[in-house]
Amino acid sequence: DTEVTQTPKHLVMGMTNKKSLKCEQHMGHRAMYWYKQKAKKPPELMFVYSYEKLSINESVPSRFSPECPNSSLLNLHLHALQPEDSALYLCASSQEQGARVEQYFGPGTRLTVT
Amino acid sequence: GQQLNQSPQSMFIQEGEDVSMNCTSSSIFNTWLWYKQEPGEGPVLLIALYKAGELTSNGRLTAQFGITRKDSFLNISASIPSDVGIYFCAGLGGGGSNYKLTFGKGTLLTVNP
Repeated sequence: DTEVTQTPKHLVMGMTNKKSLKCEQHMGHRAMYWYKQKAKKPPELMFVYSYEKLSINESVPSRFSPECPNSSLLNLHLHALQPEDSALYLCASSQEQGARVEQYFGPGTRLTVT
Repeated sequence: GQQLNQSPQSMFIQEGEDVSMNCTSSSIFNTWLWYKQEPGEGPVLLIALYKAGELTSNGRLTAQFGITRKDSFLNISASIPSDVGIYFCAGLGGGGSNYKLTFGKGTLLTVNP
């Protein structure tokens, strides 16, 4: 089973709202990732968690706050977003963080900021 | 940063035709991955390649890791309408990052029944 699940599928939020995106995997993977994807563009890495610790932050604005409560779950907390943050947010996981591992993506959350 | 050149940008083909797309880089990678993405969905991993010269098949799909480690191609044989989507190559490691996938810009495939 190579399934990564994400909820919600769609989210519409105002610029003053606080919301969270959730991601879950049960493959025993120890690395989890958040990506952002704009229309017709490839995904762009935001954060990497390795063994439940934040290992990489790709200079993401503080209005995005990741959290890894346990090895299966990854959250992305959103606050005071801007309309330009509207995008498809993808979660991915891999066996570990490294150069010879496959990353598996979830179906994504389509976020619209109004 | 490192970039992947993926071509063609788009393809319009008839059902039953074979398809070929490729990615090239100015520096080497340890791993090449090929993904397919359909509208509103996340990328789905099709094939993973770990060794220079490796040729791997997955059903009607065949991909190769170039000998120089700077390129990879994906072939789809006997295309069907459900092959429609955007195909991304991605590289990892080598001259690139050990954690961040370097993606090509994608090949949009349209299959006419």
